[in-house]
Amino acid sequence: GQNIDQPTEMTATEGAIVQINCTYQTSGFNGLFWYQQHAGEAPTFLSYNVLDGLEEKGRFSSFLSRSKGYSYLLLKELQMKDSASYLCAGMDSNYQLIWGAGTKLIIKP
Amino acid sequence: TAGITQAPTSQILAAGRSMTLRCTQDMRHNAMYWYRQDLGLGLRLIHYSNTAGTTGKGEVPDGYSVSRANTDDFPLTLASAVPSQTSVYFCASSDWTSGNTGELFFGEGSRLTVL
Repeated sequence: GQNIDQPTEMTATEGAIVQINCTYQTSGFNGLFWYQQHAGEAPTFLSYNVLDGLEEKGRFSSFLSRSKGYSYLLLKELQMKDSASYLCAGMDSNYQLIWGAGTKLIIKP
Repeated sequence: TAGITQAPTSQILAAGRSMTLRCTQDMRHNAMYWYRQDLGLGLRLIHYSNTAGTTGKGEVPDGYSVSRANTDDFPLTLASAVPSQTSVYFCASSDWTSGNTGELFFGEGSRLTVL
């Protein structure tokens, strides 16, 4: 079956670095997405990885290892506004997204 | 730019009644989707449309129907609502033209409560 696993909740301190892990099992693979969702709002796109390695976008980076079925989202210099849920989604061979339940990130001052 | 507009933003509905959630996009994206989001679960695809005039079933299609008469509109209809359809519904679109990753653009969501 197809599955996405990510931690339910994480806590980090303002100014610190946090890594949110995601493991995936999909039928075929056409990329791995990360979305951010603030409470009561719509998800917004953060990153897309289809090749192995690290993609950096400002304070956010995303990593992919296809051989391990593994990705992580790295957030640096955490700000209070980064408190949100982070959704990992794998795209299967039919270009359909399989979504994880999301990781709720709590930032403490 | 409006992006994707959903209506209503919130609705309370009696069980057995019908309801249509509206979704309109102004980005001329070819693909559109309806998801439901429930606490503790990932987004689940209800129905999708890869292009105007075509629709397909997602992971949880039962009790829902869609139509795609044109590029911009993708309404979701609950023919006879049941309490298990209480959820937050998100409409999304993506542009599958060459060079795009297919990232989704979401509407603000419609919170539906079925009593």
